[in-house]
Parts: sequence; structure tokens; C-alpha cells
Amino acid sequence: QQQVKQSPQSLIVQKGGISIINCAYENTAFDYFPWYQQFPGKGPALLIAIRPDVSEKKEGRFTISFNKSAKQFSLHIMDSQPGDSATYFCAASRTSYDKVIFGPGTSLSVIP
Amino acid sequence: GAVVSQHPSRVICKSGTSVKIECRSLDFQATTMFWYRQFPKQSLMLMATSNEGSKATYEQGVEKDKFLINHASLTLSTLTVTSAHPEDSSFYICSARSGSTTDTQYFGPGTRLTVL
Repeated sequence: QQQVKQSPQSLIVQKGGISIINCAYENTAFDYFPWYQQFPGKGPALLIAIRPDVSEKKEGRFTISFNKSAKQFSLHIMDSQPGDSATYFCAASRTSYDKVIFGPGTSLSVIP
Repeated sequence: GAVVSQHPSRVICKSGTSVKIECRSLDFQATTMFWYRQFPKQSLMLMATSNEGSKATYEQGVEKDKFLINHASLTLSTLTVTSAHPEDSSFYICSARSGSTTDTQYFGPGTRLTVL
């Protein structure tokens, strides 16, 4: 059973466009929702994270929107750049220091 | 940010041999480390959680006798793949967190294991 669902599986966006990745979860015990960016052959790097008491968090071009009642959250990448081309994973855990459950990932390609 | 290293970055071994992968927290003391496995074009799957000085907790379906985890110090955890087989070929990634309850996890760069 997949605890964290993610869509789309792959995404192609033009440079300067908005990339949107959606995730959903089932376990209401989850209390911490990080997003990770992974380049080929590298480990994942924390991009931005949110807790359920906040509906939106923005850091630079990256914004997380969180809908607690729907158990959904999404990542928006504004002004997408070719350097943003990577695999993005949404994730969830009970706390920031508990084990992280990853979504299946979204491969983002930003074309010039 | 905090730095986690892994060694080696790549390893190729023959079927039946054992391989040890090290995970080090370079600038903080890691009371807990996590080991993940990632197959090509797939997500990270948690294998086990290790706390310094105690036995690792393995996720369901992970053979603890095949994947030996040792967390003997606050800066080092090791994963030993015993009697490796081609199906063990994967990308192994560790993460570490400090004892502070507010700290997040920091991921290592990963180790690519290829078993011939």
C-alpha cells in the first residue's frame, strides 16, 4: 500500500513556466511533509518542507501548498529553469526526525 | 547545512562476496541513521533505522542477516551486504539526524553497488 501518492510521474515544462507536482497521503499521523530534489547519481537534497498547521510556504521560486482536510499537498516551481530538471520526491513522516516515507517521484524536464 | 558522506561512491563486486558501505556525519553527531535502497527510476525505500549503540530496526521484508547494520559511534554507521547477488545491485543511500528533536535528516550522496 502506497502511503504517499504522487503525480504526475513525469512532467515537461517550458523555461519560465510553472511546474506543479501533486501529492496525497492517507496516514493522519504524518506531521511533516518535505520535498526532495534528486539529480541522477546523487542523493536527495531537502528543498522545502511544511507542517499541517500552515497552508502555504514559499522559499524563493518554490512554494508548497497544503490542504489538511483533503490530505493533499503540492509543489509549485515558478519561473522553471533548465537547471531545475531533476526528480522530485514528496515525502511524509510523523515528525521531522522520524523515518521518511517517499512518494514515487516525478521526473521534471524543463526545456529551453 | 550538515554534511553526510558515504564511502565508497561506487563498488563492483563478484557474486557471493560481502561489501561494506560507510556513512559518516562530518559536522554533527548523528544519534540516528537511516539506510535506503533505490532501484533505477524508482523511489527510495527505507531498509532500516539505526540508533547509536543499539540494534538496527529493519523494515518489513528486509533480511537483517543479509544487510548488517552497525552504528558503533555518533558519526559512523556501516551497511554490510553479505553474500551479495546481482539482485542486490542498487543505489544505497543513508541519512542522518542529530539528537535535537527539531533537526531534520540529511542525506548522503549514495553508493552505487553493482554485483556481477
